[in-house]
Amino acid sequence: DQQVKQNSPSLSVQEGRISILNCDYTNSMFDYFLWYKKYPAEGPTFLISISSIKDKNEDGRFTVFLNKSAKHLSLHIVPSQPGDSAVYFCAASDTGGFKTIFGAGTRLFVKA
Amino acid sequence: GAVVSQHPSRVICKSGTSVKIECRSLDFQATTMFWYRQFPKQSLMLMATSNEGSKATYEQGVEKDKFLINHASLTLSTLTVTSAHPEDSSFYICSAREGQGYNEQFFGPGTRLTVL
Repeated sequence: DQQVKQNSPSLSVQEGRISILNCDYTNSMFDYFLWYKKYPAEGPTFLISISSIKDKNEDGRFTVFLNKSAKHLSLHIVPSQPGDSAVYFCAASDTGGFKTIFGAGTRLFVKA
Repeated sequence: GAVVSQHPSRVICKSGTSVKIECRSLDFQATTMFWYRQFPKQSLMLMATSNEGSKATYEQGVEKDKFLINHASLTLSTLTVTSAHPEDSSFYICSAREGQGYNEQFFGPGTRLTVL
């Protein structure tokens, strides 16, 4: 049972344009959401997070949107850069952050 | 950000042997450490959660006798894959978190295990 789903395995975007990565979750107990970026043969690195009491969080080129009623969140990268090419994991934590569940990841290709 | 190291980065072993992977938090005290496994083109699968000084909590379907986890100090956790088989070949990643609650996890670089 996949509690965190990233239905797009890959996404290709032109440099300078917007990248939108989507994530859906099924467990209503999740109340903290995170995005991680991962390069091959490396561990994930934290990008941005959002609490369930918010619907938007912005950090530079990265913005995460949360739609609780739809159990959906998205990561927007504007403008996209070739260095953003990586696998992006959506993750969700239960109340208290005791456990974090990861989605399958979306591989982003940013073309120069 | 905080740094988490893993050693070794890559290991090849024979079937039936045991392999130990170390995870260290280098510049912070990790109250909690997590061990994940990643299959090719798949998500990070949480294997277990360990708190310093106590027994690890294993996820459903993960054999605790096969994957021994020790969190002996606030900066070190080890995962020992006992009697390894080829199906144990995978990418193992640890993460560490300071404090409780929603503090972000810092991930190690991962260990590629290949069992022949």
